[in-house]
Amino acid sequence: DQQVKQNSPSLSVQEGRISILNCDYTNSMFDYFLWYKKYPAEGPTFLISISSIKDKNEDGRFTVFLNKSAKHLSLHIVPSQPGDSAVYFCAASDRNRDDKIIFGKGTRLHILP
Amino acid sequence: SQTIHQWPATLVQPVGSPLSLECTVEGTSNPNLYWYRQAAGRGLQLLFYSVGIGQISSEVPQNLSASRPQDRQFILSSKKLLLSDSGFYLCAWTPGQGNQPQHFGDGTRLSIL
Repeated sequence: DQQVKQNSPSLSVQEGRISILNCDYTNSMFDYFLWYKKYPAEGPTFLISISSIKDKNEDGRFTVFLNKSAKHLSLHIVPSQPGDSAVYFCAASDRNRDDKIIFGKGTRLHILP
Repeated sequence: SQTIHQWPATLVQPVGSPLSLECTVEGTSNPNLYWYRQAAGRGLQLLFYSVGIGQISSEVPQNLSASRPQDRQFILSSKKLLLSDSGFYLCAWTPGQGNQPQHFGDGTRLSIL
């Protein structure tokens, strides 16, 4: 049972435009959501997180939106840059239970010149 | 600052041979430690996590085991490797008090021949 779903395996976006990566979850007890970026042969790097008490969190070019009623979150990157080309993982946890973070399968983002 | 080290970076092993991957964290005390595997084309699967010395929780039945002989050391082992054990293995840590993102090492690429 996949609790965190990233339904788009890949996404191509023109440099300078907005990249929108989507993620859905099934466990209503999740209260902490994260996005990670991963380059080949490297470990994932933490990008941005959001608590379930918020619906938006912004850090520079990265903004995460959370829609709890739809169990959906998204990562917006604007403007997209060539260095943003990577695999992006959505993740979630139930902090009242433990520190286990459940990851989606990832979306590969290609930034086109 | 805190750092996490994993080694080796790559490993090629024959089927049936033993395995030992090591992970150490510096600059923090009593971290929560995690082992993940990323198989080809798949997301990050949590294998083991530990909240303290000698405390190991296993997430999936498998051919692998984990140990935590010291506070900041986490070891992934196998007595006899299978072909299906191939993958990219990642160690991660969070502060023991929780509510923090996981921070990952650079990973070990394990190929079983």
